[in-house]
Amino acid sequence: DADVTQTPRNRITKTGKRIMLECSQTKGHDRMYWYRQDPGLGLRLIYYSFDVKDINKGEISDGYSVSRQAQAKFSLSLESAIPNQTALYFCATSDSFAGVDRAGELFFGEGSRLTVL
Amino acid sequence: TQLLEQSPQFLSIQEGENLTVYCNSSSVFSSLQWYRQEPGEGPVLLVTVVTGGEVKKLKRLTFQFGDARKDSSLHITAAQPGDTGLYLCAGEGGSNYKLTFGKGTLLTVNP
Repeated sequence: DADVTQTPRNRITKTGKRIMLECSQTKGHDRMYWYRQDPGLGLRLIYYSFDVKDINKGEISDGYSVSRQAQAKFSLSLESAIPNQTALYFCATSDSFAGVDRAGELFFGEGSRLTVL
Repeated sequence: TQLLEQSPQFLSIQEGENLTVYCNSSSVFSSLQWYRQEPGEGPVLLVTVVTGGEVKKLKRLTFQFGDARKDSSLHITAAQPGDTGLYLCAGEGGSNYKLTFGKGTLLTVNP
């Protein structure tokens, strides 16, 4: 089984619908991230969480919200989906090195492809 | 905002050729990571470079971090079809230990 699991892997929805993408991890990492990938634009950070009580906006958080339900679970919601949110979404985790201020290696899930019609 | 520019954006070569991918910025990074992403999968870390001027080798892949820690390169010797994928560089700098990703280089190695 994958260390970082995303569900659903593929989703087609309509404009205005609420969508939730879920992420769970078995790596025991404190830090979790949601990224969006668009062709030619690379990976852009939506939200990140460094522990259960910590939620931070990334560079493109408008139109998205997140919930860190537990150390192992981090979900991304689109309250009212719009077509320009069609993209490949990745959840990632990283370890927090005690005493070392580093981002560390990111471990990615396999991605959730969302299409908004 | 720290930006990372990757070049070229696309690269299509024949098996056995050499290639270099570049990652440049006007900002200084405390470290730089290189990831490879294959179709249908998430990116996977290849290497992290930390020290200015550092060179790391991973089989046929050679990674270099610029002396000023503003740029990096990835050189592949005798490319193979299995090297096909999207190569992403990601720089660490600024606050909150976040990574800034480049837009990627899509490499295709033809048999």
